[in-house]
Amino acid sequence: DGGITQSPKYLFRKEGQNVTLSCEQNLNHDAMYWYRQDPGQGLRLIYYSQIVNDFQKGDIAEGYSVSREKKESFPLTVTSAQKNPTAFYLCASRGTVGYTFGSGTRLTVV
Amino acid sequence: AQKVTQAQTEISVVEKEDVTLDCVYETRDTTYYLFWYKQPPSGELVFLIRRNSFDEQNEISGRYSWNFQKSTSSFNFTITASQVVDSAVYFCALNLYNNNDMRFGAGTRLTVKP
Repeated sequence: DGGITQSPKYLFRKEGQNVTLSCEQNLNHDAMYWYRQDPGQGLRLIYYSQIVNDFQKGDIAEGYSVSREKKESFPLTVTSAQKNPTAFYLCASRGTVGYTFGSGTRLTVV
Repeated sequence: AQKVTQAQTEISVVEKEDVTLDCVYETRDTTYYLFWYKQPPSGELVFLIRRNSFDEQNEISGRYSWNFQKSTSSFNFTITASQVVDSAVYFCALNLYNNNDMRFGAGTRLTVKP
């Protein structure tokens, strides 16, 4: 079945560490997105990529970085510069009808 | 700038009741898409419907129906005869044509009690 796979489902980070969230899709979609979800705030766009080797900042890109070396993969790195990284992170890709989302990664700073 | 408002933070109903989730959007563009997504406890967002700004025809899909009114910039979602499995967070979203920035509302948490 086609879809988006995010891993891990749960991730714990120590203060000052960088962590990378994985996002893989087999839908052959060009555009991919990373969203952050906080309680009561809906989804906010971190980064998006329309094509391989290209990506653009969203509303809350500070403290995050991405790469798009392959069409199928769009990993997100949460750097130590992100002061409040505890949140639920969703990856998505865009098809002809709408967006397909992964099942998310819940990141907690310990 | 685009904005989506879901004024209802939480709604609780008893099974078999009808419930309407409100969505109001703001945009100066005339060409856009509106969406509804369901987020069950498992976390992923499940696509429910996409509406084109040129198509104000209401839609019904089983127990779900959507009322799109450009005059009031609203795209409301009604669940008829609600069921416990409908319990989830529901998001309304707005996406301009040829734009990579989909704007989400804050979501409405629906709890359906048996």
